[in-house]
Amino acid sequence: DARVTQTPRDKVTEMGQEVTMRCQPILGHNTVFWYRQTMMQGLELLAYFRNRAPLDDSGMPKDRFSAEMPDATLATLKIQPSEPRDSAVYFCASGLVNTGELFFGEGSRLTVL
Amino acid sequence: GESVGLHLPTLSVQEGDNSIINCAYSNSASDYFIWYKQESGKGPQFIIDIRSNMDKRQGQRVTVLLNKTVKHLSLQIAATQPGDSAVYFCAENRPGAGSYQLTFGKGTKLSVIP
Repeated sequence: DARVTQTPRDKVTEMGQEVTMRCQPILGHNTVFWYRQTMMQGLELLAYFRNRAPLDDSGMPKDRFSAEMPDATLATLKIQPSEPRDSAVYFCASGLVNTGELFFGEGSRLTVL
Repeated sequence: GESVGLHLPTLSVQEGDNSIINCAYSNSASDYFIWYKQESGKGPQFIIDIRSNMDKRQGQRVTVLLNKTVKHLSLQIAATQPGDSAVYFCAENRPGAGSYQLTFGKGTKLSVIP
């Protein structure tokens, strides 16, 4: 049963700490997306990769957020330093470039105190 | 419909009745639309999609209607079941990047009354 795997599921940290979230996309998928979900803003696109190359990270605060795909089986989203306003659920999704159907992971719930 | 601020619009439906969830999208150039279902504590899950050259598409128990004139999308669920209780999001694709980048609406919460 192919699925997108995200770790950690839950993370509580203190302001100023570095946070790294990891995602294993579905094998064979060539697009990877990072979304952030909050009650106020809903689902916001943070970053988008196609064939591991970053195509769009305009939705991401550049001073503290970074997204990478070191290989086809791993995507990372790093926040350094973290702030309370970063508290949200972060979703990774993967898909194929010629379809719009995205497969989402279960999310990483981040709480920054 | 779409929410403003903290509170999601909520639709309460009796089990067995049909549900209609509405969505207003923003960009007249959007060429592709998807409905997602998100259950509590889980990621969004694909339900059905429709391209802008169509006005109706049917799946199993679900139908999506697209009215480009008024930029309106709806999801109809037939014979609603307790397992349909979730938050439903519409998403639109805005062409230009050469591949799909979805913008999601704020969502509508569907509660099914047994």
